[in-house]
Amino acid sequence: EPEVTQTPSHQVTQMGQEVILRCVPISNHLYFYWYRQILGQKVEFLVSFYNNEISEKSEIFDDQFSVERPDGSNFTLKIRSTKLEDSAMYFCASQGALNIQYFGAGTRLSVL
Amino acid sequence: QKEVEQDPGPLSVPEGAIVSLNCTYSNSAFQYFMWYRQYSRKGPELLMYTYSSGNKEDGRFTAQVDKSSKYISLFIRDSQPSDSATYLCAMRDTGNQFYFGTGTSLTVIP
Repeated sequence: EPEVTQTPSHQVTQMGQEVILRCVPISNHLYFYWYRQILGQKVEFLVSFYNNEISEKSEIFDDQFSVERPDGSNFTLKIRSTKLEDSAMYFCASQGALNIQYFGAGTRLSVL
Repeated sequence: QKEVEQDPGPLSVPEGAIVSLNCTYSNSAFQYFMWYRQYSRKGPELLMYTYSSGNKEDGRFTAQVDKSSKYISLFIRDSQPSDSATYLCAMRDTGNQFYFGTGTSLTVIP
């Protein structure tokens, strides 16, 4: 069964450093998403991406965040200057023709 | 005002019980409704997806949507210990932004 793959599973970084979280969506899907889930809190939408550009973004997705699809398979989330409050699970999701999202297992980001 | 409200629980039931999980929402533009199951430190896994009022059944799971009341439910029949997880409702309008509930933590006791 096709799946969404995220790497790394756990990323530890120092405050102020840049991190790149990587995702390989399901190959024939067209829409891609990033979500954040702070420990014990709800899953929060960050951004959706379609046709090589941002489709929608939330208030959380400020100038420190960026997304990119550098090649035909990878979808990345970059956080330029990490803050302590960026510590969370980050989930990538991809969506095909049936409007159903499939989530990856997530990357746990720990900012020290 | 929260878009989606969900009782976080925790909910604890004996094996074999019928479980009822609920969400309410405020945005009448929501058209697509989903239930996800999330195990600890894992990504959400889609259980049910519907876009109309009424019931949709899949095995032991039934999703119910009442758009007039802005209320959705997930019923789990003959609950099993393996059903122990956090259940998230999610919904979206015609755009591409999904709104999640806080999740309800369920424990099924053998």
